[in-house]
Amino acid sequence: EVQLVQSGAEVKKPGESLKISCKGSGYTFTNYWIGWVRQMPGKGLEWMGIVSPGDSDTRYSPSFQGQVSISADKSISTAYLQWSSLKASDTAIYYCARQESIENVFDIWGQGTMVTVSS
Amino acid sequence: DVVLTQSPLSLPVTLGQPASISCRSSQSLEFSDGNTYLNWFHQRPGQSPRRLIYKVSNRDSGVPDRFSGSGSGTDFTLKISRVEAEDVGVYYCMQNTHWPMYTFGQGTKLEIK
Repeated sequence: EVQLVQSGAEVKKPGESLKISCKGSGYTFTNYWIGWVRQMPGKGLEWMGIVSPGDSDTRYSPSFQGQVSISADKSISTAYLQWSSLKASDTAIYYCARQESIENVFDIWGQGTMVTVSS
Repeated sequence: DVVLTQSPLSLPVTLGQPASISCRSSQSLEFSDGNTYLNWFHQRPGQSPRRLIYKVSNRDSGVPDRFSGSGSGTDFTLKISRVEAEDVGVYYCMQNTHWPMYTFGQGTKLEIK
């Protein structure tokens, strides 16, 4: 079965760092990009950025450039989203989703990781 | 930046009746290869989004044929021929023509009257 399994919910304080993960299985991980999508409480979907696990090519939405870091480790079929200094406004559900090509984007999604940032 | 504007934002529908959601783009979504990369996703409460339609009108595997997508250029529509209870949730259009700057519409919340 093709799936993306994300790491569990996190509760952090402002200023702390965090790295969440997205592990792919059931397919050739390096054949697909992994994108990240934010959903703030009660709000819509926002595209954050995307990484190619094969060569670590990474692209960011201008809204998230410099705010987060996206990476991947192809040896363990896992992509990451990380923050160096969290803010309360980072409280959201974060989804990963895969993309094969421009023709086939976000056909499989992870279950989401809830990140809560509160003092 | 490409902006996608959906309407309506709220859509109350009677079971068995049709529903239609519009998605308008601030720029043409036709790519240099002649294709148009406009997708539709459905998100049920408490669940991850699920893709329904890709490249304007192609239904994903397992998506009921009561769902259809159409449009070109800057104007796109998702239609449900007869709404069922399982169709409740939020529908989003998303463009991936303008790689790598993808954008989602604001979402349309479908509820049963």
